[in-house]
Amino acid sequence: SQQGEEDPQALSIQEGENATMNCSYKTSINNLQWYRQNSGRGLVHLILIRSNEREKHSGRLRVTLDTSKKSSSLLITASRAADTASYFCSYSGAGSYQLTFGKGTKLSVIP
Amino acid sequence: DSGVTQTPKHLITATGQRVTLRCSPRSGDLSVYWYQQSLDQGLQFLIQYYNGEERAKGNILERFSAQQFPDLHSELNLSSLELGDSALYFCASSARPNPGDEQYFGPGTRLTVT
Repeated sequence: SQQGEEDPQALSIQEGENATMNCSYKTSINNLQWYRQNSGRGLVHLILIRSNEREKHSGRLRVTLDTSKKSSSLLITASRAADTASYFCSYSGAGSYQLTFGKGTKLSVIP
Repeated sequence: DSGVTQTPKHLITATGQRVTLRCSPRSGDLSVYWYQQSLDQGLQFLIQYYNGEERAKGNILERFSAQQFPDLHSELNLSSLELGDSALYFCASSARPNPGDEQYFGPGTRLTVT
């Protein structure tokens, strides 16, 4: 399977703490994206990082990409209860028309 | 609100039946993607259309088909339904056909096959 893997599968933290999620993939990629999904709802795009970028910031989000290790991480700083959701990485391989999603990390932020 | 609409929101039907899910993309978006999300398989790409033409096919069963109409809305047809087809079905849209572009997801249709 070309499906990506997120790690951990589930994460529970206190409000105000930082949350780090990791994503590993198996192919060469054009870019990698992170999406958030609130329970049973549609996915919301968070951030895109291109294959020639190593780090990107957006508000409280920080994404890193290591193409040599075929991995990415998403850091959410100063977490809030509203950050409780599942987080997915997704990517399209070079020359591919498909977007592949990882299995997701379920984040719970406890007030 | 992503601007992508999907109908119906919920659908309950019996095995062997056929259903049609409908998606209207964001205004101006030409590309529509269909995904299936189930507990055991995760989020799986099914098929993509761009400006009325099929662009890419993923893990779509032969019992499933889709099309995109001239007004750019899309329909996903699921036939000979099985219990295992119970899932959330999402459509997403983007302006260009590149799958790596940001996609805007609809709220999904929850299909329950009994």
